[in-house]
Amino acid sequence: DADVTQTPRNRITKTGKRIMLECSQTKGHDRMYWYRQDPGLGLRLIYYSFDVKDINKGEISDGYSVSRQAQAKFSLSLESAIPNQTALYFCATSDLAGGPGTQYFGPGTRLLVL
Amino acid sequence: DAKTTQPPSMDCAEGRAANLPCNHSTISGNEYVYWYRQIHSQGPQYIIHGLKNNETNEMASLIITEDRKSSTLILPHATLRDTAVYYCIVRVQTSWSTLGRLYFGRGTQLTVWP
Repeated sequence: DADVTQTPRNRITKTGKRIMLECSQTKGHDRMYWYRQDPGLGLRLIYYSFDVKDINKGEISDGYSVSRQAQAKFSLSLESAIPNQTALYFCATSDLAGGPGTQYFGPGTRLLVL
Repeated sequence: DAKTTQPPSMDCAEGRAANLPCNHSTISGNEYVYWYRQIHSQGPQYIIHGLKNNETNEMASLIITEDRKSSTLILPHATLRDTAVYYCIVRVQTSWSTLGRLYFGRGTQLTVWP
């Protein structure tokens, strides 16, 4: 079984809809991240969390919110989806021992906003 | 974090060694070199990292020049499943304050052919 899972794997939604992307991990890591990937732009950090009570904005947090429901779960919400949020979204984890450079990624969620 | 330069693409015959170069001429003394790869539309996968000594694990070897201005990732016996985009990333290992992000850049598309 995968250590980092994401649901759904694919999602089509309409402009203005609220959607939630979920991430779960069994690695026991306390640090979790949400990235989006766009062609030609690499991965950009949306939000990150160092533990259940610690949430931090990344470089492109506008239009997104997150919830860290438990150590193993980190959800990303688009409150009112817009077409330029169409992207591939990745969740990742890391721990203190491995350091912030060693991150483990989920399989991704492909989101299309019409 | 220091920037990196990688060739956009490389080819390698199956069973041969794949040597992927990376230039990081502005690397600082406390910055590590990380390598990740991303198979088409899957989540990035951590491969290896190092500071100044050569490193080896079950996936690959990392050779860092003595002046640390460049490095080479070596896949000793490339297989078709190693076809992916390979990213060389330089960052401070312990810097949790830099938003936790990994700057993936454009990477090198490695194609392994039969």
